[in-house]
Amino acid sequence: QVLLVQSGAEVKKPGASVKVSCKASGYTFTTYSMHWVRQAPGQGLEWMGIINPSSDKTTYAEKFQGRVTMTTDTSTSTVYMELSSLRSDDTAVYYCGRDRSGYWGQGTLVTVSS
Amino acid sequence: EIVLTQSPATLSLSPGEGATLSCRASQSFSGYLAWYQQKPGQAPRLLIYDTSIRATGVPARFSGSGSGTDFTLTISSLEPEDFAVYYCQQRGTLYTFGQGTKLEIK
Repeated sequence: QVLLVQSGAEVKKPGASVKVSCKASGYTFTTYSMHWVRQAPGQGLEWMGIINPSSDKTTYAEKFQGRVTMTTDTSTSTVYMELSSLRSDDTAVYYCGRDRSGYWGQGTLVTVSS
Repeated sequence: EIVLTQSPATLSLSPGEGATLSCRASQSFSGYLAWYQQKPGQAPRLLIYDTSIRATGVPARFSGSGSGTDFTLTISSLEPEDFAVYYCQQRGTLYTFGQGTKLEIK
């Protein structure tokens, strides 16, 4: 079965970077692009970007341009999302989700606090 | 950027009633309009994609419709497990979500 397993919770200081991983299994990794979406406490869903594992082509939401980097490691079927220059309002649960399907990771809580 | 506006923000209904949730886009687009359901502490669940196609395992009481700038999610007869937050998402230009509609028990 399709599984997306994300890395564990992180606590970071303002100005630092965080890198969240999403390991895929149960399907051919390069067949589907992967989205990253985040949800701040009590807020709605916010789309951050998408990466195509077969080409490494990325498209980022304008809001995150220059601060987010999405990469893949096809040898381990893992997608990474790195967000830099963290601020307190980056505190959120970050989800990876396979494109054109209902498969999501379990979410990773990133807390930014001094 | 296409902005999606969902209405109402909160919908209070009783089990057995029908629900109509609206999603309006700031400009017309062709392509993918999806609906998600989210319960507290859970990842979103895909209900509808390509405007009107139910995802695998989604009950027939959920249906989607619309085109251009106006889209609708209809739940024909509410079950207790349907009370949640619902989001629409477009992929006509990049991908954006609406702000959500909270469906609560009256």
